[in-house]
Amino acid sequence: DSGVTQTPKHLITATGQRVTLRCSPRSGDLSVYWYQQSLDQGLQFLIHYYNGEERAKGNILERFSAQQFPDLHSELNLSSLELGDSALYFCASTPARISYNEQFFGPGTRLTVL
Amino acid sequence: AQTVTQSQPEMSVQEAETVTLSCTYDTSESNYYLFWYKQPPSRQMILVIRQEAYKQQNATENRFSVNFQKAAKSFSLKISDSQLGDTAMYFCAFMKPTPNQAGTALIFGKGTTLSVSS
Repeated sequence: DSGVTQTPKHLITATGQRVTLRCSPRSGDLSVYWYQQSLDQGLQFLIHYYNGEERAKGNILERFSAQQFPDLHSELNLSSLELGDSALYFCASTPARISYNEQFFGPGTRLTVL
Repeated sequence: AQTVTQSQPEMSVQEAETVTLSCTYDTSESNYYLFWYKQPPSRQMILVIRQEAYKQQNATENRFSVNFQKAAKSFSLKISDSQLGDTAMYFCAFMKPTPNQAGTALIFGKGTTLSVSS
């Protein structure tokens, strides 16, 4: 158990809908990263938040957005869903420490868009 | 931009044998970190081993070791005495050094599916 929690575990929805994925980082970790794992794109970085502020964006679609709240949990919002958005979405957290390099991954949320 | 390439989509090995998974990367950075992650059928991402680019000595963790060739930008993973529980997808990943406390994202290769049979 990495200490990172993600809810829900599974989500099934229809095209055009909007969903919210939730991530709670390890206690004390200020950084949260979101990654998407799909069959065609592999594992790719979406977005990084540090202590409530967006720090970096990867291959995140405009239909997707995220935020990190004062209690440090983060939410990834996916809207106008398409079949191709079906994937496993991971969040990972790290402590706030210079040159610290290990990321702790949550169990992931499997999104199925029908 | 950094890229990570794993050229072996699938590999198989018998129990107790040794297997090597390949990874190459491209970067203009002189300092960075490299990782191997394991993803078993449960889908949990598990850190197997890490290597700091400034360290010449290859990292080892029990049955897992790496062959880090900085000039060739190669980072292979050797699994000795393979066990059934090693069956998983293995991802090679790159990380730029952290300029501050916030950290930086991982860049992953496409993965290698390893099957260990008895």
